[in-house]
Amino acid sequence: DAGVIQSPRHEVTEMGQEVTLRCKPISGHDYLFWYRQTMMRGLELLIYFNNNVPIDDSGMPEDRFSAKMPNASFSTLKIQPSEPRDSAVYFCASSPGRHGYTFGSGTRLTVV
Amino acid sequence: GNSVTQMEGPVTLSEEAFLTINCTYTATGYPSLFWYVQYPGEGLQLLLKATKADDKGSNKGFEATYRKETTSFHLEKGSVQVSDSAVYFCALTPRGSNYKLTFGKGTLLTVNP
Repeated sequence: DAGVIQSPRHEVTEMGQEVTLRCKPISGHDYLFWYRQTMMRGLELLIYFNNNVPIDDSGMPEDRFSAKMPNASFSTLKIQPSEPRDSAVYFCASSPGRHGYTFGSGTRLTVV
Repeated sequence: GNSVTQMEGPVTLSEEAFLTINCTYTATGYPSLFWYVQYPGEGLQLLLKATKADDKGSNKGFEATYRKETTSFHLEKGSVQVSDSAVYFCALTPRGSNYKLTFGKGTLLTVNP
C-alpha cells in the first residue's frame, strides 16, 4: 500500500493566486481529513469527509477555502485567492474509522 | 468539549535516558487514545493506541497506559535514542460515530548523543 499520497510536496505562489492541493487516500478508508499545521496554531482540522460527503467544515478559515471529494480516491483543497497568512503545511489523512488515521507527507505552502 | 493537554516542550535528553511525556484529556464517555510521532519534514505517524481503560499501547519501546481514574495517557520509554528525536502528539477520538481526532499541541523531543 502506497499510503496517503499528497501533491505537490512544496508549493510557492504569489498572493492572490489560486492554489490547489491534492490528496489520494488509502483505498477502503471511508474518512478523509484535511489539517493545517503552523507553529503558532499547531494542528487544525479544516474539514473532513465520510464516504465522499463533507461532514464538518467548521474549521475552514473563510470562504477563500474550499474542499471537494468527487470520488473515493481523490480530494482537493483549494485556496482562492491565496494570502501570505495561508502559508503552512497542509496534511491530508484517511481512516477506516475509530482506530487512528494515516497521514500523508504534507504539502508545504508558501504564499509570497 | 473534547480536549487534550500535553506537557510543554521542548524536552532535551541524553541518549539512554528515561522519557516521560505527560498527557491528560477531557472527553465525554470513554474515548480512544493515541500517540502520534512526527519526524522532521514528515507527516504524523501513529505510534501507539489504547481503546479502553487500563489498556496499554506499546510500539518501538514506547508505552502508554489508558488511566480512566486520572484521565491520563502518559508516554514513556525506558531508554531513548537519537533517532527518537521528533515531535510527539497525544490525541483522542470520542466514542460513537464521530471519528474526528482532537490533538494536543505536541511536544518536541531532542535526544543528544
